[in-house]
Amino acid sequence: ETGVTQSPTHLIKTRGQQVTLRCSSQSGHNTVSWYQQALGQGPQFIFQYYREEENGRGNFPPRFSGLQFPNYSSELNVNALELDDSALYLCASSSGGGGSYYEQYFGPGTRLTVT
Amino acid sequence: DAKTTQPPSMDCAEGRAANLPCNHSTISGNEYVYWYRQIHSQGPQYIIHGLKNNETNEMASLIITEDRKSSTLILPHATLRDTAVYYCIVRVAVINDMRFGAGTRLTVKP
Repeated sequence: ETGVTQSPTHLIKTRGQQVTLRCSSQSGHNTVSWYQQALGQGPQFIFQYYREEENGRGNFPPRFSGLQFPNYSSELNVNALELDDSALYLCASSSGGGGSYYEQYFGPGTRLTVT
Repeated sequence: DAKTTQPPSMDCAEGRAANLPCNHSTISGNEYVYWYRQIHSQGPQYIIHGLKNNETNEMASLIITEDRKSSTLILPHATLRDTAVYYCIVRVAVINDMRFGAGTRLTVKP
């Protein structure tokens, strides 16, 4: 069974640029959630995708957007990067979609630095 | 979602049981208690979850008080590899996000 994978591992961008982060869900999982984790804090929910549709969103502006593909992999796009976007971005996959109690399995994260 | 309160840090001797407390005094009847941990520089790892009854798996035990206002995660024989930040989360099924707080930093010492 393949776990959750994310790419790239590390990324450095300049303020104002755009970035795309990628996530491959664990085999058999159809739901992907994205989280932002600033240094020294717990992860904060960005949004979730289930069957290629956004299925819940946290308190993040529209410049944070996402996609889910038919194979359940997902992308997180961030436009107009700000310095405060520097964080570890975590992807988590689960089965069952919204409204379920299934546990989420996290990937290792992508460390984004905005300068 | 109910909020949780955890001590910021705890120490435990290697080989002893680690008991991590969590208060969730405003928990609702349909909210589950989840525990995750995050070892430095890795993604959070699911440990266990429960609703009312005590739960046990190969990693840990979860003890939920009868009034459900608090719970304790027990690592029966802590090892150095259990050093991590432990998060207690209360979650409703219809809300899709896991709402992480600051967690408890557990340090297992030799």
